[in-house]
Amino acid sequence: GESVGLHLPTLSVQEGDNSIINCAYSNSASDYFIWYKQESGKGPQFIIDIRSNMDKRQGQRVTVLLNKTVKHLSLQIAATQPGDSAVYFCAERADTGRRALTFGSGTRLQVQP
Amino acid sequence: KAGVTQTPRYLIKTRGQQVTLSCSPISGHRSVSWYQQTPGQGLQFLFEYFSETQRNKGNFPGRFSGRQFSNSRSEMNVSTLELGDSALYLCASSSGTVTDTQYFGPGTRLTVL
Repeated sequence: GESVGLHLPTLSVQEGDNSIINCAYSNSASDYFIWYKQESGKGPQFIIDIRSNMDKRQGQRVTVLLNKTVKHLSLQIAATQPGDSAVYFCAERADTGRRALTFGSGTRLQVQP
Repeated sequence: KAGVTQTPRYLIKTRGQQVTLSCSPISGHRSVSWYQQTPGQGLQFLFEYFSETQRNKGNFPGRFSGRQFSNSRSEMNVSTLELGDSALYLCASSSGTVTDTQYFGPGTRLTVL
């Protein structure tokens, strides 16, 4: 499959544990943030998003936390499964007039059975 | 609903040639964005089209161009290919409204020899 990053930080967790993936974003004017999951050979898959007027948003087994004070975003995955193994990207959008997303460099999540 | 489709999935070209990639967005989506993904630079925004007009453009040379048709399908073209253009080219579609989410296709893997 494609190599999405030669030297990505890697998070290794045991199956069933909770995972926390962190991301520092760059633009204090960003109003919208998204987490994507990319498996080998596939395009990024939408996981969850959050707007800047929120601090927390929950989905199915995933929670995104936004700390605007320190420009930090995190993705929490509950009861991590082998199928969660992938590269995870955070993305930010600077303003609503633009659709351009700025992506982080990604974190590789490895789930050990 | 069918997802975003991209053709071809794989392409091999030689330096100096040109290439055209195609993207069909999700039915009803009017915005198409293109991104380049490389191991060194990560995911970078190329341009976005909405209703047949280029609405946003990233920092890429003029060799990279695109267009969108009345049915929202989009093409991107790269002329005078260079070795550094080898990458995964991703297309993302969205409704184009303020609350939209970008959904990605599987990408076209371009190799320039």
